[in-house]
Amino acid sequence: NAGVTQTPKFRVLKTGQSMTLLCAQDMNHEYMYWYRQDPGMGLRLIHYSVGEGTTAKGEVPDGYNVSRLKKQNFLLGLESAAPSQTSVYFCASSTGGGFDQPQHFGDGTRLSIL
Amino acid sequence: GENVEQHPSTLSVQEGDSAVIKCTYSDSASNYFPWYKQELGKRPQLIIDIRSNVGEKKDQRIAVTLNKTAKHFSLHITETQPEDSAVYFCATNQGGGADGLTFGKGTHLIIQP
Repeated sequence: NAGVTQTPKFRVLKTGQSMTLLCAQDMNHEYMYWYRQDPGMGLRLIHYSVGEGTTAKGEVPDGYNVSRLKKQNFLLGLESAAPSQTSVYFCASSTGGGFDQPQHFGDGTRLSIL
Repeated sequence: GENVEQHPSTLSVQEGDSAVIKCTYSDSASNYFPWYKQELGKRPQLIIDIRSNVGEKKDQRIAVTLNKTAKHFSLHITETQPEDSAVYFCATNQGGGADGLTFGKGTHLIIQP
């Protein structure tokens, strides 16, 4: 049972390039989330999904897009990367029914934008 | 939006002593309060959580207390050990659950031998 798997683990991009981060979970969870973690800022919610085909904005959604075409996958896209998007990105998932269930995190993707 | 204030940002204690980390929140509709431990370069891991219908919860050396009237909750670690050294994050759900979790900025706990 892998839990939450994120790919890639590391990536370096040039300003203006695009890329997609993939999150996959095998726990049949309804809810999935993307966070970014910056030094001294804790974890901040970018986008989330409460089910297949649904997405919603979190605290810091600008510059990112997401898709949830399959229940087990949640994709985070950067259309035109900027240095301010240099961060560690964590995906998480939880069972449905509300935001009062434990969230399980992946190992993170360390992204650098030059 | 919801604010979660976490204190202190750094806490150094002698091995064997107790450690207490405190968080305050602003939304009275919040009803779920998890704590996460994150070791350097690793994922956040849930260590304990509490819901609003409970005032205290214990799991071995770890306990969480909740004061809904004062809108604060605390993490207590007793008999600290070197492996307790990590960054600890509190969190709570915004609007009672409408917009996910809001995290505090973290406490770096250092256990001195």
